[in-house]
Amino acid sequence: LAKTTQPISMDSYEGQEVNITCSHNNIATNDYITWYQQFPSQGPRFIIQGYKTKVTNEVASLFIPADRKSSTLSLPRVSLSDTAVYYCLVGEQTGANNLFFGTGTRLTVIP
Amino acid sequence: DTGVSQNPRHKITKRGQNVTFRCDPISEHNRLYWYRQTLGQGPEFLTYFQNEAQLEKSRLLSDRFSAERPKGSFSTLEIQRTEQGDSAMYLCASSLGGGLYTQYFGPGTRLTVL
Repeated sequence: LAKTTQPISMDSYEGQEVNITCSHNNIATNDYITWYQQFPSQGPRFIIQGYKTKVTNEVASLFIPADRKSSTLSLPRVSLSDTAVYYCLVGEQTGANNLFFGTGTRLTVIP
Repeated sequence: DTGVSQNPRHKITKRGQNVTFRCDPISEHNRLYWYRQTLGQGPEFLTYFQNEAQLEKSRLLSDRFSAERPKGSFSTLEIQRTEQGDSAMYLCASSLGGGLYTQYFGPGTRLTVL
């Protein structure tokens, strides 16, 4: 499993765009990049997944450069309800039977 | 609610007692996972099932821990002779398959061992 490195915490004001970068220098050819969100006392929730370039859904965008050694989760116009821990995970396309979460990034949105 | 459910949500027990948790996955999901999460850390994989078969166990899963999924539907996680170090949130997740299939997590069972 490729090791990931994320900032421990970030603060942002409401309405701003937030970018959380994850480093995964040892990412393998078959690895995908997945982000989960976790609120206190809840299980993690899938946000977005990608392999290369850019992926966008109704919640976030994921930017992956050509060398795939890092990725950036972009949350547009955050609100107080986006305060949570965000985990970057790297795993194989097949056989990824378990997820390695690391410690994540604690995002605090300030009014 | 058609999501993953876990019971109980909270469990307080004394050291040395046995505890059992239950997970009901999303009905059509054939994969079921158990994770453990301690304060300030991300979830750690414990074990997973494909249907009723337990296919992988982490070395974190000591012999005091046992998990079953007898009919390929709900699963139970039992901890025997609990220790204070077992205090954690126990999370269950399910998915349609492995690899790219999203794992959907339940709310967890918070265990406190006194």
